Amino acid sequence: KAGVTQTPRYLIKTRGQQVTLSCSPISGHRSVSWYQQTPGQGLQFLFEYFSETQRNKGNFPGRFSGRQFSNSRSEMNVSTLELGDSALYLCASSLIERYGYTFGSGTRLTVV
Amino acid sequence: GENVEQHPSTLSVQEGDSAVIKCTYSDSASNYFPWYKQELGKRPQLIIDIRSNVGEKKDQRIAVTLNKTAKHFSLHITETQPEDSAVYFCAASPANAGGTSYGKLTFGQGTILTVHP
Repeated sequence: KAGVTQTPRYLIKTRGQQVTLSCSPISGHRSVSWYQQTPGQGLQFLFEYFSETQRNKGNFPGRFSGRQFSNSRSEMNVSTLELGDSALYLCASSLIERYGYTFGSGTRLTVV
Repeated sequence: GENVEQHPSTLSVQEGDSAVIKCTYSDSASNYFPWYKQELGKRPQLIIDIRSNVGEKKDQRIAVTLNKTAKHFSLHITETQPEDSAVYFCAASPANAGGTSYGKLTFGQGTILTVHP
């Protein structure tokens, strides 16, 4: 069974640009969550999607947005990039009937 | 919102010793508590989890205990091995009345565990 797949693995962007990250959950998993991981702030929840609906959102500015498609694949978008957005962005998926979330390997975003 | 405090931030043990990591949470609505292990440069991996209707759960050398009254849960690793060296994160999550999770995990700051051979 394939794991959670995130693309791309690495990204370098310039301040002010926008970026789109992709996440393909484990087959059959309908819940997809996104997290930002930085050395200073640790793992912070961004948002969670289920059946194309955002059910929960963390405390991030509106520049951070996401969506989920009918096949459960999810994307997150960050507009007007700032240096502080440099981080590892992790996606996790779960069968809604179970609690365990499986993480992908993440996308390492560097803003210069 | 939920706040999870994790201690210690670093833990160094000798191979074969036990290691204990402790977490406290603030939101009484939280009822799912997973632990993740993250090796350098790799993704967090779920190693064990516990739900609020259970006080203790064990999986080989790893055990987790939960005290809902005190809002406290702990990870216990026995007979530690060098390959246990990693960063360990605790987390807490609420669930709705139906018992499903909304996927909003609040993580502790992590514990860097080093097991010396």
